[in-house]
Amino acid sequence: IAGITQAPTSQILAAGRRMTLRCTQDMRHNAMYWYRQDLGLGLRLIHYSNTAGTTGKGEVPDGYSVSRANTDDFPLTLASAVPSQTSVYFCASRKAGTGNTEAFFGQGTRLTVV
Amino acid sequence: GDSVTQMEGPVTLSEEAFLTINCTYTATGYPSLFWYVQYPGEGLQLLLKATKADDKGSNKGFEATYRKETTSFHLEKGSVQVSDSAVYFCALSENTDKLIFGTGTRLQVFP
Repeated sequence: IAGITQAPTSQILAAGRRMTLRCTQDMRHNAMYWYRQDLGLGLRLIHYSNTAGTTGKGEVPDGYSVSRANTDDFPLTLASAVPSQTSVYFCASRKAGTGNTEAFFGQGTRLTVV
Repeated sequence: GDSVTQMEGPVTLSEEAFLTINCTYTATGYPSLFWYVQYPGEGLQLLLKATKADDKGSNKGFEATYRKETTSFHLEKGSVQVSDSAVYFCALSENTDKLIFGTGTRLQVFP
């Protein structure tokens, strides 16, 4: 059982470059999320999607974009990376609906922008 | 908007000590409340949850009670172990399906 998979595990990226972080789940969950984790700030929601074909902005969406072409995949794109986007990125998924279901997380992508 | 506030860490305890990690929330409606745990180098995993007022979530000796009157969901454990050392996150979710986290509290347990 794979659950939720993120790629790459880690990446060093030059400022100004474009980068896509991949996230795939095999649990047929409708809802998917992207968070960034920074020391002292916890997890902050970047973007979310309640179902394939729809996306929404979280707390810190600037500089990031997402797409949800199908149920399984939810890629996060940095169009032009900046050093402040250095962080650990987590993708998560769960059944949509009443909001009381468990979220499952990937192992994270550690991104360093230099 | 909705938000979660957790006590600052790190919390440092000796093995078998009593643990409390405070969590309070702000929400417009009636959210579900969660505690997630993150072990070193891993993603988050659900520890326990409560979906309505006065519900008590429990798992692995941890428990938390949904207190609507004080908008709180404090995490407790009667006797911590070294293996409980991790970062603990309080979270809430309303029907919008957004899942909002607190800043996390690092727990360090020493033998």
